[in-house]
Amino acid sequence: GAVVSQHPSRVICKSGTSVKIECRSLDFQATTMFWYRQFPKQSLMLMATSNEGSKATYEQGVEKDKFLINHASLTLSTLTVTSAHPEDSSFYICSAALPGTGGPFGAFFGQGTRLTVV
Amino acid sequence: DAKTTQPPSMDCAEGRAANLPCNHSTISGNEYVYWYRQIHSQGPQYIIHGLKNNETNEMASLIITEDRKSSTLILPHATLRDTAVYYCIVRVAGAAGNKLTFGGGTRVLVKP
Repeated sequence: GAVVSQHPSRVICKSGTSVKIECRSLDFQATTMFWYRQFPKQSLMLMATSNEGSKATYEQGVEKDKFLINHASLTLSTLTVTSAHPEDSSFYICSAALPGTGGPFGAFFGQGTRLTVV
Repeated sequence: DAKTTQPPSMDCAEGRAANLPCNHSTISGNEYVYWYRQIHSQGPQYIIHGLKNNETNEMASLIITEDRKSSTLILPHATLRDTAVYYCIVRVAGAAGNKLTFGGGTRVLVKP
């Protein structure tokens, strides 16, 4: 199946600094990618939809100036958590849908990035 | 996208079949049923999908009721590695921009 890769898998940063997470589709081109956040023992919450060549669409309640998304190519989307605080500590997951059909296979997910802000 | 309802947790014995129910009573005619699972600290993994016919692949079987208001994911011979949270999602297929919205899922614990 299609492969989506995230980097880094784990990151620890100091409060007030920014962290960039990369999401790559390795064997297909993705015009659309999605970013999710997951707190312990909770489900995935969609943060934003990343569109290649245009601005991301953020879900209600997600600060676009804090979570900067860039989708500059058909295989790479990045999420930058700016001025990170301990409450931003979470598991961040990206996904990408196969182009054209969008599924029936739905979307493929990266392995996730565990962010810890100290 | 239509909302789904799943039991929060379920135990099953290793080697036995695990039957995971999902209610999606407001599903629309063009919405597929997808199942994903998430093993601890990993990204979700696609399992199977269907529209109205029953489906089977190397991982599982999907049984969809005739009225499409509910479905059951069957893991035929559960192993310890099947311990995970299983998510049932309904979604319109056809466009890459269609996002997946996750509910609470069912936390499955396979016991020896």
